[in-house]
Amino acid sequence: GENVEQHPSTLSVQEGDSAVIKCTYSDSASNYFPWYKQELGKGPQLIIDIRSNVGEKKDQRIAVTLNKTAKHFSLHITETQPEDSAVYFCAASRSSSNTGKLIFGQGTTLQVKP
Amino acid sequence: NAGVTQTPKFQVLKTGQSMTLQCAQDMNHNSMYWYRQDPGMGLRLIYYSASEGTTDKGEVPNGYNVSRLNKREFSLRLESAAPSQTSVYFCASTEGGGSYEQYFGPGTRLTVT
Repeated sequence: GENVEQHPSTLSVQEGDSAVIKCTYSDSASNYFPWYKQELGKGPQLIIDIRSNVGEKKDQRIAVTLNKTAKHFSLHITETQPEDSAVYFCAASRSSSNTGKLIFGQGTTLQVKP
Repeated sequence: NAGVTQTPKFQVLKTGQSMTLQCAQDMNHNSMYWYRQDPGMGLRLIYYSASEGTTDKGEVPNGYNVSRLNKREFSLRLESAAPSQTSVYFCASTEGGGSYEQYFGPGTRLTVT
């Protein structure tokens, strides 16, 4: 079945630096790739997503890139701020399955040091 | 809108006890999901309900049962709890029909001793 690998498991950056989290997926039929942010004690929340018909999507300080050939996608956060500290999850899905099922990566704990 | 609500927030069980985790959403979503979150393992799908009246197994269904009571509510039951089921459980929902954003509840932290 589908497998999503996420790296690194922990990431520590200085405030103002950039952070990059990478994911690879195994199912070439996957075509929807969301990223979720989970703050301490809360449920995950969608921050950005990308579909396989585009290579890059940007929303203010966050961007996601997708390489379908290599089957990997990345989250880029620029000008990091302490409030970016959280656990980030990537996920993959086949929209054609009509079930909405997501397969999640293992998560990355991002710490932004002031 | 409350979004997705889960009860209880915390629970401690002894091995062999049973309990039901409740989940409700007020967004008129078609699909609902139960995940467990363990350190280093990400979110793993236990069961899901793609639409009212249907339920299917996810990646880790053993030891669990579910009921889609109506369109709003989706419960998860542990018939005989085991220490391996100590985890944080999240319920999520999505509109379905081409909309894929999943909305998560606040989670239930379950400890089985």
